[in-house]
Formats: sequence, structure tokens, C-alpha cells
Amino acid sequence: DSGVTQTPKHLITATGQRVTLRCSPRSGDLSVYWYQQSLDQGLQFLIQYYNGEERAKGNILERFSAQQFPDLHSELNLSSLELGDSALYFCASSVEPGNTQGEQYFGPGTRLTVT
Amino acid sequence: QQPVQSPQAVILREGEDAVINCSSSKALYSVHWYRQKHGEAPVFLMILLKGGEQKGHDKISASFNEKKQQSSLYLTASQLSYSGTYFCGTEGYPGETSGSRLTFGEGTQLTVNP
Repeated sequence: DSGVTQTPKHLITATGQRVTLRCSPRSGDLSVYWYQQSLDQGLQFLIQYYNGEERAKGNILERFSAQQFPDLHSELNLSSLELGDSALYFCASSVEPGNTQGEQYFGPGTRLTVT
Repeated sequence: QQPVQSPQAVILREGEDAVINCSSSKALYSVHWYRQKHGEAPVFLMILLKGGEQKGHDKISASFNEKKQQSSLYLTASQLSYSGTYFCGTEGYPGETSGSRLTFGEGTQLTVNP
């Protein structure tokens, strides 16, 4: 158990819908990262927050957005869902804010299926 | 840019050794290695910072050649528990647009059989 929690574990929804994925980082970690992993693919970095502020952005679609709240939990919002958005979404947290990044602790992931 | 990992997959018998390589076309500040078992989250193995250091973790070690922008992960006397997909994540230099995030390779699938 990494100490990072993600909810829900599974999500099945239809095309065009909007969903919210939630992540709670390890106690004391200020950085939160979101990754997308499609079937048998690598980890695609989406976005990073540090202490409530956006720190780095990857290939995140405009239909996707995220935020980190004062209690440090983070939410990833996916809208106008398409079949290709079906993937495993991981949240990770770390103490380090970036640049010389420390170990990232990954949550168990949310499996999103768009039908 | 995404680092390139090789091989894509490797099958070993218990006790055999393996090397997984990670190459980048850009200057690297650090390389991170993670292992992911099927259906689970990636788990951190080690970080290597610029300077060509070599690190070890049980019977798993890694090297980082900053000049060649390459890293290698060495698994010796493999155990059944080593099976999984190994990812390298590369970090660019501070100040670059991608400097503060990891870019992961496609992964190397390692299977250790009895």
C-alpha cells in the first residue's frame, strides 16, 4: 500500500459524458501527478500540481482538467468522453515539487471504460 | 521526447540475468526506474542523477551514462518476483519546458519462469 488513494476503482460511462476522478496523496506529500495508461501502453504524463498550483503540463487534452484543493487532494475531470479515453488513470504523489524529483508513490488507479 | 527502451520483452529462467536499456535523444538530468506488475500500480525502484553513478537495490542495480544519455537496469540471479513491466522515466534539465516532469518509456516486459 503506497498510501495514495484513488476513487472510484472502476468507472463505466457512455461517450459524451463527464466524469471526475479523485486522488488523495500520501500524508505530507505536496505534489500530485496524473498519468494515463492505455492498454499495454506506457505511462503518459498528464499534469502535475504542487501545493495547489499547476506545476507542469503534459499532453493533456483540452477536454481534461484538474485541480488540487487546499487539503491537497486532487481531482481530474474528463469531459465529452470518447471511446479512446478508456484507460487506467493513475495518480502519484511525492514530497518533491519537481526538477530533482524524488520517488513518486502511485495510487491503485481508476479504470475508466467509455462505451 | 519519449525514451526508448530495449528489449521490448525478455523471458528468463529463475536465476538468470537480464539487462534493460533506456536511451534518450536529449540531455538528461536524472533517470528513474519503476516496476509494474500486471493490474497493479507502478512501484519505484531507484533514481539515478547525473554524474554516472550506479545504484543497487537488492540484486537489481542500474547505471546512468550522462554523456551517452543512457541508463541500464541490471537484474542478476532473477527471481520469480521480478516478473513485471519495467519502465524508465527520464527527467530533463531544470528550466526546460519538460524539466519538471518524467517522461516514461514504453516499458520492457520481463517474465521469469521456474
